[in-house]
Amino acid sequence: GAVVSQHPSRVICKSGTSVKIECRSLDFQATTMFWYRQFPKQSLMLMATSNEGSKATYEQGVEKDKFLINHASLTLSTLTVTSAHPEDSSFYICSARDGFGRTGELFFGEGSRLTVL
Amino acid sequence: DAKTTQPNSMESNEEEPVHLPCNHSTISGTDYIHWYRQLPSQGPEYVIHGLTSNVNNRMASLAIAEDRKSSTLILHRATLRDAAVYYCILRRIQGAQKLVFGQGTRLTINP
Repeated sequence: GAVVSQHPSRVICKSGTSVKIECRSLDFQATTMFWYRQFPKQSLMLMATSNEGSKATYEQGVEKDKFLINHASLTLSTLTVTSAHPEDSSFYICSARDGFGRTGELFFGEGSRLTVL
Repeated sequence: DAKTTQPNSMESNEEEPVHLPCNHSTISGTDYIHWYRQLPSQGPEYVIHGLTSNVNNRMASLAIAEDRKSSTLILHRATLRDAAVYYCILRRIQGAQKLVFGQGTRLTINP
């Protein structure tokens, strides 16, 4: 089946630094990607919708200057957490939609666990 | 986004069928019913989706009520690997087609 890969799977950084997480669709072209975050024992919270070649659409309450999203190609979207703080520690998950094929399912990455010290 | 209601948790035994209910009384005609599941420390995994008719695939079956206000995910023979959080989500046919997750049902399988 279709595969979405995230990198890195785990990252630890110091407070105040920026961290970039990559999301790649490996065998299909993803015109739309979605970014989620998940705190322990909670559900996934949608952060933003990323469209190839255009600006991301952020959900209410998500700071666009804090969480920079770039979707520069049909197979890659990146999320940069800028000036990270301990409260940004979370599990970040991306998903992608096959824009030119099936429209049923979304494919999710394995997730990236960010720990900010 | 139309809301879904699921029990917080359910428990079943290995090799027995499991019926996971979902209520979505405010569903609109353009909403598909999607089910995903999430194993610990992993991203969600697609299970099944449907619009009006019941659906079967190798993982599960989806039974949709005639009025579409509820649905049931059926795992025919649960295994320990089916222990996960199961999410029932409504997804619009048009537009961004984003998935908004509720709290889901945490399914425990007893050996």
